[in-house]
Amino acid sequence: NAGVTQTPKFQVLKTGQSMTLQCAQDMNHEYMSWYRQDPGMGLRLIHYSVGAGITDQGEVPNGYNVSRSTTEDFPLRLLSAAPSQTSVYFCATGAGSPTDTQYFGPGTRLTVL
Amino acid sequence: KNEVEQSPQNLTAQEGEFITINCSYSVGISALHWLQQHPGGGIVSLFMLSSGKKKHGRLIATINIQEKHSSLHITASHPRDSAVYICAAPNDMRFGAGTRLTVKP
Repeated sequence: NAGVTQTPKFQVLKTGQSMTLQCAQDMNHEYMSWYRQDPGMGLRLIHYSVGAGITDQGEVPNGYNVSRSTTEDFPLRLLSAAPSQTSVYFCATGAGSPTDTQYFGPGTRLTVL
Repeated sequence: KNEVEQSPQNLTAQEGEFITINCSYSVGISALHWLQQHPGGGIVSLFMLSSGKKKHGRLIATINIQEKHSSLHITASHPRDSAVYICAAPNDMRFGAGTRLTVKP
């Protein structure tokens, strides 16, 4: 039972490159979300999903795409990386809604040069 | 102005001291979430509470929904409690900037 897994742990990109951050969970949770964490700032919601086939934007969605084709996976795509997207990215899951206990992945540290 | 404010931003304590971290929010919520972020970066959920008080070991969380205020207390603090503590308003998906706690032996 792995819980919430994220890959990769670290990534360095050049400006303009694209990539996908992977998030997978084996807890059969409906709610999944992506956050970014920047120094001195709280976690900020990028996108979230309340179930397979359903996604919605959070506070800072620009430059990111998501899809939810299965309950288990919720990948985050950077379309054209920019230095402003340098951050630590966390995926989280919950049983059904944000007010359920949230379980966080270990994070992905992304640097965009 | 952040809708979820925490104080203090940084806190240094001696082992054994009683710790209090405060969280105030301006958004309407039905519950508030306390999280702990370890020095290695991992985030774990401590409490989700909607009223009154919850206790888990040496950690106690209280909330007053009407006053829009919550506190996290740590009794008999220990160096292993050193971490960043984050409060969040899950209804609005807003997070405080965190309180960095260092407990010295």
